[in-house]
Amino acid sequence: AQSVAQPEDQVNVAEGNPLTVKCTYSVSGNPYLFWYVQYPNRGLQFLLKYITGDNLVKGSYGFEAEFNKSQTSFHLKKPSALVSDSALYFCAVRDALSGGYNKLIFGAGTRLAVHP
Amino acid sequence: EAGVTQSPTHLIKTRGQQATLRCSPISGHTSVYWYQQALGLGLQFLLWYDEGEERNRGNFPPRFSGRQFPNYSSELNVNALELEDSALYLCASSLQGRLSTDTQYFGPGTRLTVL
Repeated sequence: AQSVAQPEDQVNVAEGNPLTVKCTYSVSGNPYLFWYVQYPNRGLQFLLKYITGDNLVKGSYGFEAEFNKSQTSFHLKKPSALVSDSALYFCAVRDALSGGYNKLIFGAGTRLAVHP
Repeated sequence: EAGVTQSPTHLIKTRGQQATLRCSPISGHTSVYWYQQALGLGLQFLLWYDEGEERNRGNFPPRFSGRQFPNYSSELNVNALELEDSALYLCASSLQGRLSTDTQYFGPGTRLTVL
C-alpha cells in the first residue's frame, strides 16, 4: 500500500536561513512525488513534482526538492527562507505501477514558520 | 488563465440536511477530484470524475455522491449531514487524469459547517 510520512508537524526557521521540509514515502513501484503549499483559508498550490530523471527538481517560488530512491525520501528545500513562505506544506505520492486509477496519497502536512 | 473555482465559499447547514458543492475545472481539464480536509484528519480523497464518469472513490459512505456535467464541471452532494462532515472541501482538476504523472490543481475550497 502507498503511504507518505511527514515526520515533523512544524518546522521553525529564521528568515534568510535555508529550510528543509522532510517527506518519506512507500510505494510498490516507482513513485511519482508532488509538493503542495496551503496558505491560511486557501486551497493547495502546486509547487513541484518528480516523475523521472534528475533527482533535483526545481519548482515555484525558489523551492526545490531532492529525490533519494535509496532513502525513499523527497525533501523540500529552499536556500533562503522568507517570512511569506510560512504556510502548511503537503507531500503526496502516486504509485506508477497502479496506473492512472490510483489516487494521490497525501502526508499529514508540515507547518513551516519563518521568523523575521 | 482562470484556475479552479468553487462555490459557495462558505456553507452552513444543520444536521440531517443536504449540502451541494460546486466546482468548475481549469479550461481544458477533463478530470475533477474531490477531497475532504477535516481538522486533525488531513486530506482525504473522496471522488474522482473523468469524462463524465466516476472513476475512483475514497473510503466514504454512500451519502457522499457527486456527478460531472458535460462541460466537465462537477457537483458534490452530501446527504443526511452529520456534525463530523464539517470540513474544508477541496476540488482539483487535471488535464489527463488517467496518467499517473498528471498534476492536480486545486481550488480555494468550500468551508462546510454542520450545526
